[in-house]
Amino acid sequence: DAGVIQSPRHEVTEMGQEVTLRCKPISGHNSLFWYRQTMMRGLELLIYFNNNVPIDDSGMPEDRFSAKMPNASFSTLKIQPSEPRDSAVYFCASSLDKGYNEQFFGPGTRLTVL
Amino acid sequence: KQEVTQIPAALSVPEGENLVLNCSFTDSAIYNLQWFRQDPGKGLTSLLLIQSSQREQTSGRLNASLDKSSGRSTLYIAASQPGDSATYLCAHNAGNNRKLIWGLGTSLAVNP
Repeated sequence: DAGVIQSPRHEVTEMGQEVTLRCKPISGHNSLFWYRQTMMRGLELLIYFNNNVPIDDSGMPEDRFSAKMPNASFSTLKIQPSEPRDSAVYFCASSLDKGYNEQFFGPGTRLTVL
Repeated sequence: KQEVTQIPAALSVPEGENLVLNCSFTDSAIYNLQWFRQDPGKGLTSLLLIQSSQREQTSGRLNASLDKSSGRSTLYIAASQPGDSATYLCAHNAGNNRKLIWGLGTSLAVNP
């Protein structure tokens, strides 16, 4: 299995631009998580889906952030408009919902907003 | 508020030393606890998962223990190597909630 796949790996954009991050979970996993990691705040859960349905989006910082999961094999996290304070590494993780809930992480997308 | 604390925040040891990383948590309804490793600029790799009914898990030179009553988990690394240098994070979920509660990690440097 290829593991969790994220794209792009690096993104540099200017303030005000729209940014779309993509994630393909491990095949067969039915929970998907979006995280943000910064030096100051560590890992923060933004939102998670179970069976393609958003379950907890309490970590989404503001309305500029949105996430979708149109099917079991694809999810997007969109920031519109982007701001310099959004600069961080964004991770996607997936798990198989069979009780253990062990999460497996993708390599992350390093976002820099100038 | 549920919290996870990892002590120390940073640790530097000579190669070959056995070491213990600590993780404490406030939630008594822990369901399972995971230890992760993160290399600089990389993603997180799951090392060990301990279910709430278990006391410990082992993988190679790594041994993780869980004591729910005291709210503590430890990660023991035997015969440390420079390749073990990384940040180690612990996280747990409560009840059957899929949401993980995270510590800030321990940054480990193993010096040759």
